[in-house]
Amino acid sequence: GQNIDQPTEMTATEGAIVQINCTYQTSGFNGLFWYQQHAGEAPTFLSYNVLDGLEEKGRFSSFLSRSKGYSYLLLKELQMKDSASYLCAVRDEGNGVDYKLSFGAGTTVTVRA
Amino acid sequence: NAGVTQTPKFRILKIGQSMTLQCAQDMNHNYMYWYRQDPGMGLKLIYYSVGAGITDKGEVPNGYNVSRSTTEDFPLRLELAAPSQTSVYFCASSYRGRVNQPQHFGDGTRLSIL
Repeated sequence: GQNIDQPTEMTATEGAIVQINCTYQTSGFNGLFWYQQHAGEAPTFLSYNVLDGLEEKGRFSSFLSRSKGYSYLLLKELQMKDSASYLCAVRDEGNGVDYKLSFGAGTTVTVRA
Repeated sequence: NAGVTQTPKFRILKIGQSMTLQCAQDMNHNYMYWYRQDPGMGLKLIYYSVGAGITDKGEVPNGYNVSRSTTEDFPLRLELAAPSQTSVYFCASSYRGRVNQPQHFGDGTRLSIL
């Protein structure tokens, strides 16, 4: 399996920026996903990276460095509704299977007024 | 456009009882998955299916069974419920095609075994 690490909790102020880091180890990396999960709800898709670099989607950006096994999710202009858990998930084709994801434990972000 | 529908949303079982968690998707997705999520833990894959009639074990399959007789439905069966199976269960589906296709999740089934 994969070893996927992300911080357990982060707190930030409304309007600020928060960066959530994710490190991973795989034998056949083939993409990294970020999901948002509000308490008591289902995960929802935020972003996908497979090549090195930054992908921007409005207030959210995701970065990938394959050589370092590292990604981050950047949340800008934080709003109260951004308080949620953010899950990093990696797709690994090392075993020839391209449709399974391995998830990190998630980072709980709390936005304070 | 319902997406992925899970039933029931909540259930309490006694130790040793059995039940089936239902999952249906209307997006014509090939792949379907069952996960469990425990507090402070990531999603753990229980079983998955790449198409009707094909299923395979994930990371934590013990105590569970699945079937996939149609493209739309992927039920998860607990035969002898144990307290360790108290968890939130999520069903997900995805489309085989472009590699960037995300998994779409149902709203979950919250299961307590007492």
